Amino acid sequence: QVQLQESGPGLVKPSETLSLTCTVSGGSISTYYWNWIRQPPGKGLEWIGYVYYSGGTNYNPSLKSRVTISIDTSKNQFSLNLSSVTAADTAVYYCARDRGDAYIFDQWGQGTLVTVSS
Amino acid sequence: QSALTQPPSVSGSPGQSVTISCTGTSSDVGGYNYVSWYQQHPGKAPKFMIYEVSKRPSGVPDRFSGSKSGNTASLTVSGLRAEDEADYYCSSYAGSTYVVFGGGTKLTVL
Repeated sequence: QVQLQESGPGLVKPSETLSLTCTVSGGSISTYYWNWIRQPPGKGLEWIGYVYYSGGTNYNPSLKSRVTISIDTSKNQFSLNLSSVTAADTAVYYCARDRGDAYIFDQWGQGTLVTVSS
Repeated sequence: QSALTQPPSVSGSPGQSVTISCTGTSSDVGGYNYVSWYQQHPGKAPKFMIYEVSKRPSGVPDRFSGSKSGNTASLTVSGLRAEDEADYYCSSYAGSTYVVFGGGTKLTVL
């Protein structure tokens, strides 16, 4: 059973860049689509984007100008960078696997809360 | 504001059935048979319960069923149990936007 684990700072200052890493264990990252999804406190889910194992990416149009997702297959990790953050970017950030066949997220990390505050 | 519209809350007594709706447009729910449903307990990551409108992954009880009519998808939970109390989110493939989610529905088992 593949497992995903998010890591990174829990506090980021406004206007700075939020950076998170997802480590995949129990399986290879060299297939499937690897996603970031966020959930502001008390609110719904928002898809941020994905990186394919080959390095191809796709981002939510509403965040595209600020998002970069990359992958390191040698470390079985993929990462999220979100620039110019504001308080509206405060959320629990999840990494998740998408098999690519039915647009579903079948494996999720536990999530990590990132707060944007000075 | 979420792309897909769900009722904020629904409730039912143990053993009863409840249905949660998810309304989108012809660009998402109505245009593709790629509607999924996720269950999320407090403090936990979402778990996918239904995919491709009505298919259940292994391990999901057959008390959970999905359907779609036009731009509205539905999740029905039959034979309600205490452990079904959770937030439920729908999602849909949306073409160039990839995937959009609903705002979530809190299911309360009375």
